[in-house]
Amino acid sequence: NAGVTQTPKFQVLKTGQSMTLQCAQDMNHNSMYWYRQDPGMGLRLIYYSASEGTTDKGEVPNGYNVSRLNKREFSLRLESAAPSQTSVYFCASSGLGRYTDTQYFGPGTRLTVL
Amino acid sequence: SQQGEEDPQALSIQEGENATMNCSYKTSINNLQWYRQNSGRGLVHLILIRSNEREKHSGRLRVTLDTSKKSSSLLITASRAADTASYFCAETSYDKVIFGPGTSLSVIP
Repeated sequence: NAGVTQTPKFQVLKTGQSMTLQCAQDMNHNSMYWYRQDPGMGLRLIYYSASEGTTDKGEVPNGYNVSRLNKREFSLRLESAAPSQTSVYFCASSGLGRYTDTQYFGPGTRLTVL
Repeated sequence: SQQGEEDPQALSIQEGENATMNCSYKTSINNLQWYRQNSGRGLVHLILIRSNEREKHSGRLRVTLDTSKKSSSLLITASRAADTASYFCAETSYDKVIFGPGTSLSVIP
């Protein structure tokens, strides 16, 4: 099992460009998450999906959109990238569809917006 | 922000010593979880303690929880160089998950 995979690993964008970060899990989990991690801030939740077809905003959703394509995949889209979105992005999944579950994380995508 | 605090922000110890990290949180919880992050990697789950538990052990890890003070501590005994990492607490309830800012632990061989 690969667990949680993310692509790409690194990306550099110019202000105003768009891109989609991809995440997939092979653990048959119900819940999936997108976080951003900035120095000294820990992880902040961007969006959460408890199951296929449902998504909820987290603490910092502005500037992002998500799509839960199926049970395995959860993508994060930046429509018009800004320098403030420079960060490391982590996708995670958990089994039962609740925030209280243990989460399994992907390796992260390091994004720089110039 | 609802984010809690962790202290110390950074901790440096000698191999074989014990390391204690503290987490304070702001909201009511169902459980509190601890995660570890090696440099440049994703987080890995270490241990979960439920709100009705006061102490939990897993190998060299000991976690305590004091819901009256909204605080938790993680003790790593007999530390090893391989324990060098950042450690995060996460407060969770039915409607949220909030990670703390983390403690950076360096274990010197």
